Amino acid sequence: EPEVTQTPSHQVTQMGQEVILRCVPISNHLYFYWYRQILGQKVEFLVSFYNNEISEKSEIFDDQFSVERPDGSNFTLKIRSTKLEDSAMYFCASTTSLRYGYTFGSGTRLTVV
Amino acid sequence: GESVGLHLPTLSVQEGDNSIINCAYSNSASDYFIWYKQESGKGPQFIIDIRSNMDKRQGQRVTVLLNKTVKHLSLQIAATQPGDSAVYFCAEREGSYIPTFGRGTSLIVHP
Repeated sequence: EPEVTQTPSHQVTQMGQEVILRCVPISNHLYFYWYRQILGQKVEFLVSFYNNEISEKSEIFDDQFSVERPDGSNFTLKIRSTKLEDSAMYFCASTTSLRYGYTFGSGTRLTVV
Repeated sequence: GESVGLHLPTLSVQEGDNSIINCAYSNSASDYFIWYKQESGKGPQFIIDIRSNMDKRQGQRVTVLLNKTVKHLSLQIAATQPGDSAVYFCAEREGSYIPTFGRGTSLIVHP
């Protein structure tokens, strides 16, 4: 069964450093998403990406965040100058159509120290 | 209202029992609903979905019921197994808008 693949599974970084979280969505999917989940809390929407551009973003997705699809397979989330409160699980998701639910990756646990 | 923090609502059941997990949604215009299962340390996994033109949908061992009048969604798991232990949460969506996720219910299945 096709999967959304995320790397690394766990990233520890110092406050103020930049991190890049990587995702390989399912190959025939067209819509890509980043979500985050702080421990014990809801899955929160960050950004959606379609046709090589951001289609929607939440209030969380401020100027320290950016996304990129540098080639036909990877979808990355960059966090510049990480803060302690950026510590969370970050999930990538994709779907082939807005009529359906998303397929999520296993997530990257980001720990900012 | 919901409490903030680590304490999710929890449902404890014995193996073999049926489980019912409930979700109250907020947007009366939502027309698509999804149940996800999230095991510890993993990403949400799609279980079953339902559109607003239906009030019941069945999958393998799972049934989703939708009551639009009271904005309530439930997930029924038949013959619950230890492998069903996870956090279950619903998501609602209006049209092509980004879905909104609930906070989840922790299901604990005792052998």
